[in-house]
Amino acid sequence: RKEVEQDPGPFNVPEGATVAFNCTYSNSASQSFFWYRQDCRKEPKLLMSVYSSGNEDGRFTAQLNRASQYISLLIRDSKLSDSATYLCVVNIGRNNDMRFGAGTRLTVKP
Amino acid sequence: GAVVSQHPSWVICKSGTSVKIECRSLDFQATTMFWYRQFPKQSLMLMATSNEGSKATYEQGVEKDKFLINHASLTLSTLTVTSAHPEDSSFYICSARGGLAGGEQYFGPGTRLTVT
Repeated sequence: RKEVEQDPGPFNVPEGATVAFNCTYSNSASQSFFWYRQDCRKEPKLLMSVYSSGNEDGRFTAQLNRASQYISLLIRDSKLSDSATYLCVVNIGRNNDMRFGAGTRLTVKP
Repeated sequence: GAVVSQHPSWVICKSGTSVKIECRSLDFQATTMFWYRQFPKQSLMLMATSNEGSKATYEQGVEKDKFLINHASLTLSTLTVTSAHPEDSSFYICSARGGLAGGEQYFGPGTRLTVT
């Protein structure tokens, strides 16, 4: 089992749509969780951290379910500029190194 | 947010030569730096973790004698790809983390290496 697994995608949605990504992780001792965004040929950029109580930042909502070991990202009212690859990142507990999911590609179309 | 730079941003080299990539944290002291490799349409794969002043810890399957990592100061880490081959062509990205383990990593802009 991979340490971090994500929806394979790609997701092609119209502007204004709501889209959700899921991610599961295998190490129950993981403590830190993040969603990163990566544009083509660019480095990943932190979108948001994921807290146990769930957190929201504008149109983006992240949730964590420790019992089921999954993380989700919800994007409401999608914009064209949301088109990117979204990476689920988990602290694996050993040396607190981060592990990346394979990423889910989102394309928002007019 | 914190800034991490990489140099060069892209490089083309001939097979058999060595290439050095620099990663610098510009406005904070990076106690830990990470080196990743990303092939087209794949995710980032951690190659090694380095702490300032100590030897790097390499991930399984990464040859430490081929990918030499030096983290001589709190603001600079280098990755040298020795005797590069076409299959080493990839996008190499470094990241840096300041104090707390588990804290945010700040990524450099990446270096695109093409070996001909």
